[in-house]
Amino acid sequence: GIQVEQSPPDLILQEGANSTLRCNFSDSVNNLQWFHQNPWGQLINLFYIPSGTKQNGRLSATTVATERYSLLYISSSQTTDSGVYFCAGAYNFNKFYFGSGTKLNVKP
Amino acid sequence: DTAVSQTPKYLVTQMGNDKSIKCEQNLGHDTMYWYKQDSKKFLKIMFSYNNKELIINETVPNRFSPKSPDKAHLNLHINSLELGDSAVYFCASSFRPGQGGEKLFFGSGTQLSVL
Repeated sequence: GIQVEQSPPDLILQEGANSTLRCNFSDSVNNLQWFHQNPWGQLINLFYIPSGTKQNGRLSATTVATERYSLLYISSSQTTDSGVYFCAGAYNFNKFYFGSGTKLNVKP
Repeated sequence: DTAVSQTPKYLVTQMGNDKSIKCEQNLGHDTMYWYKQDSKKFLKIMFSYNNKELIINETVPNRFSPKSPDKAHLNLHINSLELGDSAVYFCASSFRPGQGGEKLFFGSGTQLSVL
């Protein structure tokens, strides 16, 4: 299967700081998504981004499909951004492979 | 509300018992999934159904049996529960690739504890 590597594994930020999370894939994917798992365990879909750049409020994501990586930018972080961020990729049939996540703690 | 809903949210049971988790989605999706999240938060796909047809069946003990009565429902039945089955089980849904809108939406999870 596809190996998904996320970095960093852990991140501590002061409220208001910016950060970049990275996701590398061992093989090509044609479906790439980012998720946020909040402290209550709920998984929220942030982006469907097989290529290019998208923005949603303080979050944006960029995928460079030819180089098999994706980046998630968080600007002006807030305590509600805390949780675990996962990227997941699939090639056909939506068989998603997940990374091990980046655990983010935003301190007030 | 439009959503993926699964029940129960918590399931505490004894080893050897049989239990079921139910999932329903009203997003109009044609593909549904079961994922397992272990204690280290690692998410792994177990099964996927498209229009009631099994399309992904990972290496999962045959004590786990999914059932999809229609494209809006996917249930998971687990026989002879073992300690190692303790985990959070997530249901999810999406459209099949090529139809556009392949975003994956998750239910709120079922935390299974086997004692």
